[in-house]
Amino acid sequence: AQKVTQAQTEISVVEKEDVTLDCVYETRDTTYYLFWYKQPPSGELVFLIRRNSFDEQNEISGRYSWNFQKSTSSFNFTITASQVVDSAVYFCALSDIRQGAQKLVFGQGTRLTINP
Amino acid sequence: EAQVTQNPRYLITVTGKKLTVTCSQNMNHEYMSWYRQDPGLGLRQIYYSMNVEVTDKGDVPEGYKVSRKEKRNFPLILESPSPNQTSLYFCASKMGQTHSGANVLTFGAGSRLTVL
Repeated sequence: AQKVTQAQTEISVVEKEDVTLDCVYETRDTTYYLFWYKQPPSGELVFLIRRNSFDEQNEISGRYSWNFQKSTSSFNFTITASQVVDSAVYFCALSDIRQGAQKLVFGQGTRLTINP
Repeated sequence: EAQVTQNPRYLITVTGKKLTVTCSQNMNHEYMSWYRQDPGLGLRQIYYSMNVEVTDKGDVPEGYKVSRKEKRNFPLILESPSPNQTSLYFCASKMGQTHSGANVLTFGAGSRLTVL
């Protein structure tokens, strides 16, 4: 069975600090996709990134970067020079690649608070 | 604008009073799904639908019903709500079948349900 674990329930940092959100996953599939979603205080779920299991290159988008390591089944998310607007709950999720894939399995979420 | 629309956004009801949360998408997506979000548990799938008249149970289907008579609509029905169904509910959709595991879910804004 697929499982995603976000061990950090809550993180609180001061603005401009760097922060890393951990995500560890379990799957028996050899091919799969990993996702990160952001849920700001307004409540909607915002897609941030998708990464397939064949591509272990790290990705950077502005202040955001993602580190995918298949050897440790981890897909960590780092925010550099954090800002108050980054305060949100962040979810890591896993999906298989087979046709007709039925669901996205989510982690428990990490609540990130950036203090001014 | 491409979107998933849920109604109502907020609802307070009493135990046993049947209710329906509607979900509609305008992207011609085959796949639709309902999730519930509870503190510390992340998002858990209730039901999903691969296409019209094709529905199946997710991880937590007890106490819920769904139907998919039209491609765009996927209502969630609580026949006899109970307090343990107090939660934040999300409807989501994505393109199905080919590469469906890779496709990104688009979420509705959420429906916060309280059952007294």
